[in-house]
Amino acid sequence: QSALTQPASVSGSPGQSITISCTGTSSDVGGYNYVSWYQQYPGKAPKLMIFEVSNRPSGVSNRFSGSKSGNTASLTISGLQTEDEADYYCTSYTSSSTVVFGGGTKLTVL
Amino acid sequence: EVQVLESGGGWVQPGGSLRLSCAASGFTFTNYVMSWVRQAPGKGLEWVSAISGSGGSTYYADSVKGRFTISRDNSKNTLYLQMNSLRAEDTAVYYCAKGHRTNLNWFDPWGQGTLVTVSS
Repeated sequence: QSALTQPASVSGSPGQSITISCTGTSSDVGGYNYVSWYQQYPGKAPKLMIFEVSNRPSGVSNRFSGSKSGNTASLTISGLQTEDEADYYCTSYTSSSTVVFGGGTKLTVL
Repeated sequence: EVQVLESGGGWVQPGGSLRLSCAASGFTFTNYVMSWVRQAPGKGLEWVSAISGSGGSTYYADSVKGRFTISRDNSKNTLYLQMNSLRAEDTAVYYCAKGHRTNLNWFDPWGQGTLVTVSS
């Protein structure tokens, strides 16, 4: 199972919006609404930010939103804040009854 | 508070074995899928394995199939990962995570991780 494709890095200024893409295939991202997104600070455990494509867990800021079109899912962070600087990973359920992660995207807030 | 806490990591020689444990609290353990996810030093996250709430269904990444065995003891609220025939490329922080009630959907929360080092 190949990893989902994410940009290695994205950057933005405080207050701006950024979008991180996550591209898979019809056997994973395109075939199921089981895409989730995680935020990870260096040396820390990942934290769930979005589940089932576009749902936010309780406590996650509404500045974070998710969507999907075809085989590509996206995470958008609006009103960028310095605390958003972290690594972001997408995941998807697959037709092989496994889970595949994206390679991760490092977000830099300039 | 929902919590999961890993233990059992350490140093092992190539070809050796290690068993990781994950103690869960704050939720009805038997009702949820549990997973292991690992992260090699400086690398991204990699899903390793998952097990259904009853323990009757198990799932593995191709990279560990036939070498790792996931199990759970619902009477002890504990998840395990038995790792055999370990290789250098298995070196990673291993995270335990609570999942969805019935499918391999999401992971929340995660434990703090336990480091496994495979080296001679």
